[in-house]
Amino acid sequence: KAGVTQTPRYLIKTRGQQVTLSCSPISGHRSVSWYQQTPGQGLQFLFEYFSETQRNKGNFPGRFSGRQFSNSRSEMNVSTLELGDSALYLCASSPSDRGGTDTQYFGPGTRLTVL
Amino acid sequence: AQSVTQLGSHVSVSEGALVLLRCNYSSSVPPYLFWYVQYPNQGLQLLLKYTSAATLVKGINGFEAEFKKSETSFHLTKPSAHMRDAAEYFCAVSEGYQLIWGAGTKLIIKP
Repeated sequence: KAGVTQTPRYLIKTRGQQVTLSCSPISGHRSVSWYQQTPGQGLQFLFEYFSETQRNKGNFPGRFSGRQFSNSRSEMNVSTLELGDSALYLCASSPSDRGGTDTQYFGPGTRLTVL
Repeated sequence: AQSVTQLGSHVSVSEGALVLLRCNYSSSVPPYLFWYVQYPNQGLQLLLKYTSAATLVKGINGFEAEFKKSETSFHLTKPSAHMRDAAEYFCAVSEGYQLIWGAGTKLIIKP
């Protein structure tokens, strides 16, 4: 089975712009989670989707949003980019609806740089 | 809310020496606990997972971890370090639909 894929792998944007990141989970996985990883804050949970429904959201401003499609692919969007949004954005999928108790399989991440 | 503490942002060991990476969690009930590894410029890979079936959990690449409820700890060990083990290691605890992460420990292997 192919692993979790994320596109693009690298992205450079300027402040005030908007960005959309894409994640394709492992075939058959219906849960997708997003994390932001920065040197200062470490790994922080953004949101989790299961069957197109957002079940949980982390403590991020409303500029961060996401969605999941019927084929389980997911996108996250960040509007009005700020310098502090520069980070590695990781997507993870898991096969069941058990949420955090299930093993999560991670993609390679999208490295976003905001100038 | 739960929290995870990893003692030591960097741990340096010689090749062939014992690896010990520390993780403590805060939870009033036995949680699900995970260790993940991240190699440079890559995503995270599961090393092992505690699900209350056994207190000693064996993972990939020769790693294992022991769950100690009395100490609220889940330390990761490997008897003999290899150069390829150089990476960042993260401990995480499940909370609802998400994972709560430790800050990570970078493992440095000296030749």
